[in-house]
Amino acid sequence: DTAVSQTPKYLVTQMGNDKSIKCEQNLGHDTMYWYKQDSKKFLKIMFSYNNKELIINETVPNRFSPKSPDKAHLNLHINSLELGDSAVYFCASSLQRGGHPFFGPGTRLTVL
Amino acid sequence: QQQVKQSPQSLIVQKGGIPIINCAYENTAFDYFPWYQQFPGKGPALLIAIRPDVSEKKEGRFTISFNKSAKQFSLHIMDSQPGDSATYFCAARDGGATNKLIFGTGTLLAVQP
Repeated sequence: DTAVSQTPKYLVTQMGNDKSIKCEQNLGHDTMYWYKQDSKKFLKIMFSYNNKELIINETVPNRFSPKSPDKAHLNLHINSLELGDSAVYFCASSLQRGGHPFFGPGTRLTVL
Repeated sequence: QQQVKQSPQSLIVQKGGIPIINCAYENTAFDYFPWYQQFPGKGPALLIAIRPDVSEKKEGRFTISFNKSAKQFSLHIMDSQPGDSATYFCAARDGGATNKLIFGTGTLLAVQP
């Protein structure tokens, strides 16, 4: 199946821990994104990479660090997790910069 | 700062009704306006999109109306079905350097049988 996949689907962890979310797309897209959806369902872009180059870096705490080893993968590492980091994190990709994103299934992160 | 304002927050209609979701924006640099549909536990999926040089676009039962001078656009769902029950997001693309997509706050639609 051609898609955007991300793992894990659920992540429950304690405050202060470090965790990573992995994302892969097999659509052949050049651009990948991380979005955060909070408890009120508000969707906000966090990062965007185009061909492994960071092109969007919104006002996100530097505890969040994306990494794109190749254009099909975009991982998100979060250090020193806080309660407010609890949200659903969506990976997405688009054919090119500015294209409409195809979203993955999401990772629900719960920080206790 | 919410650059795309969406209303209503929630909407309940009967099967066969025509729910209408409205969005408004201020930034004239926005150059592309998609709508996304999100079912519980799933990622948002592109439903329909419009460019500002077009006043209306129809795809199946879904229609976008666009009023460039008023900086408003809306989604109409004809003959709504219970399977249309979902959260709907309007969005706008910033036509500047980043081309980032800015989402509205979402509308939770319930279509009752």
